[in-house]
Amino acid sequence: SSELTQDPAVSVALGQTVRITCQGDCLGTYYASWHQQKPGQAPVLVIYGRTKRPSGIPDRFSGSSSGNTASLTITGAQAEDEADYYCNCRDNSGNHVFGTGTKVTVL
Amino acid sequence: QVQLVESGGGVVQPGRSLRLSCAASGFSFSSSVMHWVRQAPGKGLEWVAVISDDGRNKYYADSVKGRFPISRDNSNNTLYLQMKSLRAEDTAVYYCVRGEYYFDYWGRGTLVTVSS
Repeated sequence: SSELTQDPAVSVALGQTVRITCQGDCLGTYYASWHQQKPGQAPVLVIYGRTKRPSGIPDRFSGSSSGNTASLTITGAQAEDEADYYCNCRDNSGNHVFGTGTKVTVL
Repeated sequence: QVQLVESGGGVVQPGRSLRLSCAASGFSFSSSVMHWVRQAPGKGLEWVAVISDDGRNKYYADSVKGRFPISRDNSNNTLYLQMKSLRAEDTAVYYCVRGEYYFDYWGRGTLVTVSS
């Protein structure tokens, strides 16, 4: 089955920019999506179709990809962006896979 | 507005069964691909299973294949997960999720604890 690898944790100063990466074979074929999860809450979709943002998601969140790597960038990080972030894609078998998750700390 | 409300979680002994339900509203359930996703305590998200809008196509994570059949009742806008031969490692919050290529709506989850 497919795997998606993320850095376990990153930190960013308030107002600065942070990039989270996700690597895996399925990303070479299918678009990545990204979810934000705060403690005790269900995940929330923040990026889909590689670069699209759902309604209500601030434009400081952006997505990109190259080959088997997808990235989520937070430009001008805010305190409320402190959360766990998970990438996701589907594979050719119809299965889906989540990344290992990245904990973002805003300093 | 879109609502996904899971139910059926609880404490169950290893080897026993449990059925989860997800009541959907606020969107066209019968036109939507639906999933179950779980999260063990303190761990990451794990995709569990998917079912097509008409219920004909189903795919499963290797960890639950053959034990957790997914099904749906489009006449009652309800998604199910029948969990059999439960193991301690199945302990998790189980989320009902809508989406085909990405997961746009999530329920709040229901906790399943497998313990003797």
